[in-house]
Amino acid sequence: GPKVLQIPSHQIIDMGQMVTLNCDPVSNHLYFYWYKQILGQQMEFLVNFYNGKVMEKSKLFKDQFSVERPDGSYFTLKIQPTALEDSAVYFCASSHYRESTGQLYFGEGSKLTVL
Amino acid sequence: GQQVKQSSPSLTVQEGGISILNCDYENDMFDYFAWYKKYPDNSPTLLISVRSNVDKREDGRLTVFLNKSGKHFSLHITASQPEDTAVYLCAAGATGGNNKLTFGQGTVLSVIP
Repeated sequence: GPKVLQIPSHQIIDMGQMVTLNCDPVSNHLYFYWYKQILGQQMEFLVNFYNGKVMEKSKLFKDQFSVERPDGSYFTLKIQPTALEDSAVYFCASSHYRESTGQLYFGEGSKLTVL
Repeated sequence: GQQVKQSSPSLTVQEGGISILNCDYENDMFDYFAWYKKYPDNSPTLLISVRSNVDKREDGRLTVFLNKSGKHFSLHITASQPEDTAVYLCAAGATGGNNKLTFGQGTVLSVIP
């Protein structure tokens, strides 16, 4: 089936550094999402993105977070600067329709450890 | 607070039996309900979903039951097999909600031969 690829699968960085998580969504999809899962907790919505703009973001999407998809390349989540509480698995997802059957296609996640 | 809750963190079922996974929600605006399946270190994958205009949907061995008045939905897996062993995530969303889903914490299903 359609695949969403995430790079890197794991990243360890020191607090205060910048990190960029990359997502290669399904090729004909138009809507993109980031979810965050802290160990032992549920996946939580961070942000969604369409046509070059953030449509909605949650309270978890701090000022230090940003997303973009320059020229149809990777959909990225940048955190600058990172904090200890940013340690989590970040899942990227994409969908073709905004109000589809909810068919979100997820990547395998990028595990971020902030020391 | 948790808007979508799976009260059972784990469930063990004998092969061939029925697995019943439960999910409760709080938000009256939710009108879309889904179950995702996740293997370790893998991506969550949509199994089955239902909109609030129906109270049941079947797909092969899977059936989703929706109880709107009780704010509860469940996934029944008949003839459970060892390969059904995985984490099952329930999710809910609202029309007009930009396809934003709220997930439960997951139930680890173990199907033993």
